[in-house]
Amino acid sequence: EVQLVESGGGLVQPGRSLRLSCTASGFTFGDYAMSWVRQAPGKGLEWVGFIRSKAYGGTTEYAASVKGRFTISRDDSKSIAYLQMNSLKTEDTAVYYCTRNSGYSGYDHTYYFDYWGQGTLVTVSS
Amino acid sequence: EIVLTQSPDFQSVTPKEKVTITCRASQSIGSSLHWYQQKPDQSPKLLIKYASQSISGVPSRFSGSGSGTDFTLTINSLEAEDAATYYCHQSSSLPWTFGQGTKVEIK
Repeated sequence: EVQLVESGGGLVQPGRSLRLSCTASGFTFGDYAMSWVRQAPGKGLEWVGFIRSKAYGGTTEYAASVKGRFTISRDDSKSIAYLQMNSLKTEDTAVYYCTRNSGYSGYDHTYYFDYWGQGTLVTVSS
Repeated sequence: EIVLTQSPDFQSVTPKEKVTITCRASQSIGSSLHWYQQKPDQSPKLLIKYASQSISGVPSRFSGSGSGTDFTLTINSLEAEDAATYYCHQSSSLPWTFGQGTKVEIK
């Protein structure tokens, strides 16, 4: 059974940093690209970024709203994806979901999110 | 950035009624359009991929259609458990984007 479990959320002051983890099980983690999607309280879904599998360079892509502040990485030996969030702003307050990207590896336009974690809440407030 | 506009924003529907939700893209995205269902206090769940392809385990009353810029999610014979917010998502080009969501309420 595929499982994605996020951790690391909490209350943080503006300008500070936080690192989220997504621990995966039930599939060969290294074969998949992984994404982070967030949802502000009472709002819709916003794609944050994704990391390709090592077979495709392990490179990353980000939404403009987080580019330069957030970094996604992965440790395939531990089946964990990370979201390092720096220079946090109050508008980054949201539930952060980890998702598995399925589709045709290497073809970004074919990806969809077939599994989602339960989410972890990040609150940025002084 | 490709903007996805869903309509309506909200729909109140009687059980067994048919529900139609549309998603319009600001430019052509082929069939790189996917649908998700999010029930209250739950994570989103994949319903339809590539505009019209069904997902294992998803009830057959859910179907999708469309290509290019206009897409439709149809729920035939709505059931009480279908109360949720529905989102479309495009992966045609980065940044990937979502529609604003359509909330379906059961009368």
